[in-house]
Amino acid sequence: SQQGEEDPQALSIQEGENATMNCSYKTSINNLQWYRQNSGRGLVHLILIRSNEREKHSGRLRVTLDTSKKSSSLLITASRAADTASYFCATDSPSGTYKYIFGTGTRLKVLA
Amino acid sequence: GAVVSQHPSRVICKSGTSVKIECRSLDFQATTMFWYRQFPKKSLMLMATSNEGSKATYEQGVEKDKFLINHASLTLSTLTVTSAHPEDSSFYICSATDREGGEKLFFGSGTQLSVL
Repeated sequence: SQQGEEDPQALSIQEGENATMNCSYKTSINNLQWYRQNSGRGLVHLILIRSNEREKHSGRLRVTLDTSKKSSSLLITASRAADTASYFCATDSPSGTYKYIFGTGTRLKVLA
Repeated sequence: GAVVSQHPSRVICKSGTSVKIECRSLDFQATTMFWYRQFPKKSLMLMATSNEGSKATYEQGVEKDKFLINHASLTLSTLTVTSAHPEDSSFYICSATDREGGEKLFFGSGTQLSVL
């Protein structure tokens, strides 16, 4: 399957520290997105990076994409307790039908 | 931002009954809606893709007769779990893309289904 794998599966850090999570995928993509999910809720879109982009920023978020390694990373700087959530990467289908496959997710816990 | 409303948020039903879950795009027209299933601390598993006015496309291994999807309008898609059994207990989430945004997914808040 195309499902991406993320690591670490779980991450616990102190408030103010940076959090880095990684996503690897298997097939070629048009774009990769990162989503956040609070426990028992739906997902919220964070950032989209296209296959011809290498890095993208949005506020405290920094995303990188390495298509040669089929991997992406999400960096959250100066983390806050409110950043506690699960983070998922999602890759689109090579057919470009807006069908996205989600990674296994990283559960982030930020301790106050 | 675009809002997707999903109801109910939680439902408990007896084995053998059917349950309908609604997913509505409130302030945009949803070209495509997706239905996912999620187990505790696991990722989202895509069940099916639905486009307004046409039959849903189901992923491999997902029973069409078990999980009925109706995308009757550009703002409403429903998932009906027919003859539910305890193994159908799960968290179901819908998402939608709009005509303009295309790539970005807007998610409902999910439905926790418990089948007794």
